[in-house]
Amino acid sequence: DIQMTQSPSSVSASVGDRVTITCRASQGISSWLAWYQQKPGKAPKLLIYAASSLQSGVPSRFSGSGSGTDFTLTISSLQPEDFATYYCQQANSFPRAYTFGQGTKLEIK
Amino acid sequence: EVQLVESGGGLVQPGGSLRLSCAASGFTFSSYWMSWVRQAPGKGLEWVANIKQDGSEKYYVDSVKGRFTISRDNAKNSLYLQMNSLRAEDTAVYYCARDLDYVWGSYRSFDYWGQGTLVTVSS
Repeated sequence: DIQMTQSPSSVSASVGDRVTITCRASQGISSWLAWYQQKPGKAPKLLIYAASSLQSGVPSRFSGSGSGTDFTLTISSLQPEDFATYYCQQANSFPRAYTFGQGTKLEIK
Repeated sequence: EVQLVESGGGLVQPGGSLRLSCAASGFTFSSYWMSWVRQAPGKGLEWVANIKQDGSEKYYVDSVKGRFTISRDNAKNSLYLQMNSLRAEDTAVYYCARDLDYVWGSYRSFDYWGQGTLVTVSS
C-alpha cells in the first residue's frame, strides 16, 4: 500500500506569509495527487487535482507542484480564511484505492 | 447546483448494523464514480469504498472488507453504505463524495462532498 506523509504536521504563519506544505508518497504516483482544505465541522474542499491543476473557483494564491513521490502545496499570500487543515490524497491505483496524508494544520501566528 | 446529502447515521452497539444513504442532485448521478470517505473524531480522512457508474465495480479499504457493502440506485440518484459487524473503530463522520471526472476518465479526486453523517459505535 502507498503511504502519504505530510510535513509539517502543523505550522504557524501570519496573514500575508507564503506557506509551503509537502507531501511525500512511499512510491511513485505519477501526478495523481490532490490537495484539500478542511475547516472545523465542514467537509473537505478540493483545491488542487492532478498535482498542479487549480479546481474551479479556488483562488490563484493556491498552487501545487510535483510528480513521482514529492509534491508541494503553496499558498502565496495567506488570507484569514486560509487557516485550516490541509490534506493530500493519492489515487495512483485508481479505482482500487485512495490514500490521504495525515493532515497539516495551518494556524495563525 | 450539485448537492450530496447523507443520512442514516446514529448510535449503534458493537456488532450492530447501519445503512447510510446519500441523496444526490444537480448532476447526472449515473455518470460518476462515487465514494464514501470517513473521518474519526479529531483524526484525518480515510477513503472507505467506491462504486463505478453502473455499479459493476466496487472497491473497499481493507479494514471494512467483508463487513461493509457499497451500492447505488441510479434511478433514485442515491448512494448507500450497508455497514455490518460494526466496531468501535468505525466511529466517524461518513461523507459521500463525487469523483472528479472528465470526458475520457477520472482525475482521481473528489470535487463535491456531502455534509457528513455521524456514526457512533458504542455500548
